[in-house]
Amino acid sequence: GQNIDQPTEMTATEGAIVQINCTYQTSGFNGLFWYQQHAGEAPTFLSYNVLDGLEEKGRFSSFLSRSKGYSYLLLKELQMKDSASYLCAALDSNYQLIWGAGTKLIIKP
Amino acid sequence: DSGVTQTPKHLITATGQRVTLRCSPRSGDLSVYWYQQSLDQGLQFLIHYYNGEERAKGNILERFSAQQFPDLHSELNLSSLELGDSALYFCASSDRPGVEKLFFGSGTQLSVL
Repeated sequence: GQNIDQPTEMTATEGAIVQINCTYQTSGFNGLFWYQQHAGEAPTFLSYNVLDGLEEKGRFSSFLSRSKGYSYLLLKELQMKDSASYLCAALDSNYQLIWGAGTKLIIKP
Repeated sequence: DSGVTQTPKHLITATGQRVTLRCSPRSGDLSVYWYQQSLDQGLQFLIHYYNGEERAKGNILERFSAQQFPDLHSELNLSSLELGDSALYFCASSDRPGVEKLFFGSGTQLSVL
């Protein structure tokens, strides 16, 4: 079956760095997405990786290893507003998104 | 603002009732997706339409149905409502059925009492 695994909850300190991991098993693979979702709000797109390697976008970076079925989202210089859930989603061979349950990130002062 | 409009924002109803949720995608987007998100849960994919045709079905109950109209807006119909149907229902759109960068509406919060 198809599956996405990511930690349920993580805690980090304001100003620090945090890495949120995601492993996936899908029927075929056409890319890996990360979305941010604040409580009670809609998810918003953060990043898309289809090739191996690191993509940097400001304070956020996303990494992909296709051979390992693994991705991570790296958040630097954490701010209180980064407290949110981070959703990992993989695009399978039918171009359907398989979603993880999300990682709730708590930022402490 | 994602450009995706969902109405109503909040809906309170009773068990056994039927409701209709409405979604207008971003201008030019042909794909519409419906998701259900229960409290502190992940996104559950319900159904995907592309240019008026059903493209994929997820874990959508038989009591639920959807359609996409010629003007590309979509409606999700939920009938014989149960307490467990209380959730946030999101609509999302994209401009093609391929690479799925989705733009989400702000959701409809359904409360079944």
